[in-house]
Amino acid sequence: GENVEQHPSTLSVQEGDSAVIKCTYSDSASNYFPWYKQELGKRPQLIIDIRSNVGEKKDQRIAVTLNKTAKHFSLHITETQPEDSAVYFCAANGGGFQKLVFGTGTRLLVSP
Amino acid sequence: GAVVSQHPSWVICKSGTSVKIECRSLDFQATTMFWYRQFPKQSLMLMATSNEGSKATYEQGVEKDKFLINHASLTLSTLTVTSAHPEDSSFYICSAVGTGLNQPQHFGDGTRLSIL
Repeated sequence: GENVEQHPSTLSVQEGDSAVIKCTYSDSASNYFPWYKQELGKRPQLIIDIRSNVGEKKDQRIAVTLNKTAKHFSLHITETQPEDSAVYFCAANGGGFQKLVFGTGTRLLVSP
Repeated sequence: GAVVSQHPSWVICKSGTSVKIECRSLDFQATTMFWYRQFPKQSLMLMATSNEGSKATYEQGVEKDKFLINHASLTLSTLTVTSAHPEDSSFYICSAVGTGLNQPQHFGDGTRLSIL
């Protein structure tokens, strides 16, 4: 089955800096890769997703890149703000288009 | 749009009791709902996939008799933790997927379950 690894586990940046979180997956059949943001004690919220037919997707300060050959995808947050502080999870669907396997999470701390 | 409501948000009960958690899609129909368990500072672990009108599919290692799932309608799935024990204490989160093609998962607020 699918296995998703995520790095780093924690990331501290200064406000205004960029943050990059990387994930690798094992199942070449995976074709859907969402990213979720979870604040303490709250629900995971979808912030961006990408499908295997594109290599990059951008939404304001957030972008995701996908390298199918290397089986890795990354989340890029530019001009970070304190409210970006949260745990971020990547996921892959293992080709099953709905069922997701999540990475272990990255705790992002943006200091003012 | 795509709001998922989960109740209760927090429950404390004695060991041996059963607890039912509801997951509702408020503004869309969901043929598929997922139930996750999340330990503190850890990732989301999929417990089971719930499909409307059929039996749930459980992940390896999840006891189906312990965690009863019912998906009776396109907007409601329930998880019942039967004869709960302290080791069942955790954060349980559901998600729902709409009926259209390539729909993302939308999560509920989660239920914090504490068994004394």
